[in-house]
Amino acid sequence: NAGVTQTPKFRVLKTGQSMTLLCAQDMNHEYMYWYRQDPGMGLRLIHYSVGEGTTAKGEVPDGYNVSRLKKQNFLLGLESAAPSQTSVYFCASRRVAPNTGELFFGEGSRLTVL
Amino acid sequence: AQSVTQLGSHVSVSEGALVLLRCNYSSSVPPYLFWYVQYPNQGLQLLLKYTTGATLVKGINGFEAEFKKSETSFHLTKPSAHMSDAAEYFCAVSDRNNDMRFGAGTRLTVKP
Repeated sequence: NAGVTQTPKFRVLKTGQSMTLLCAQDMNHEYMYWYRQDPGMGLRLIHYSVGEGTTAKGEVPDGYNVSRLKKQNFLLGLESAAPSQTSVYFCASRRVAPNTGELFFGEGSRLTVL
Repeated sequence: AQSVTQLGSHVSVSEGALVLLRCNYSSSVPPYLFWYVQYPNQGLQLLLKYTTGATLVKGINGFEAEFKKSETSFHLTKPSAHMSDAAEYFCAVSDRNNDMRFGAGTRLTVKP
């Protein structure tokens, strides 16, 4: 049972380069989320999706784009990477009903922008 | 929007001592409250949660937390710390819909 899988797990980019992080879940969850984790700041919500074809902004959406073309996948894109986007990125998912709010997390993707 | 404040970014206890990690929340609606644990280089795992009903909730690994509405608190405790409890702990609040907000985290160190 894979749960939530993130790829790649590590990536180094140069300023201005673009990349996409892929999140895949096999639990048939409706909701999916992208968070970034920075020291002393906990997890901050970037974007989320409440279903296939829908996305919404979270706390820190600037510089990122997302797409949810298939229910099981949630992609996070950086069009022009900046050093401020150096972080660990976590994908999470949860079901709609019964709604206990619990999130299931991937193992994280560590991104360094030089 | 709801928010979470965790008091103390680092807590150090001796093995066998009481663990107390503090969490206060702000929410305009009855909240769902969570504690997650993160071990090095891993994602977050759910320790315990409060949704409705009994205000004292028990989780995995001997942890428990009590929801106190009057104090807007959800502190995490464990009677006797073990070396394996060393990790980072996050308190989170959900408005029961789409949004979950996390605290800044508390790193727990357990001394032998």
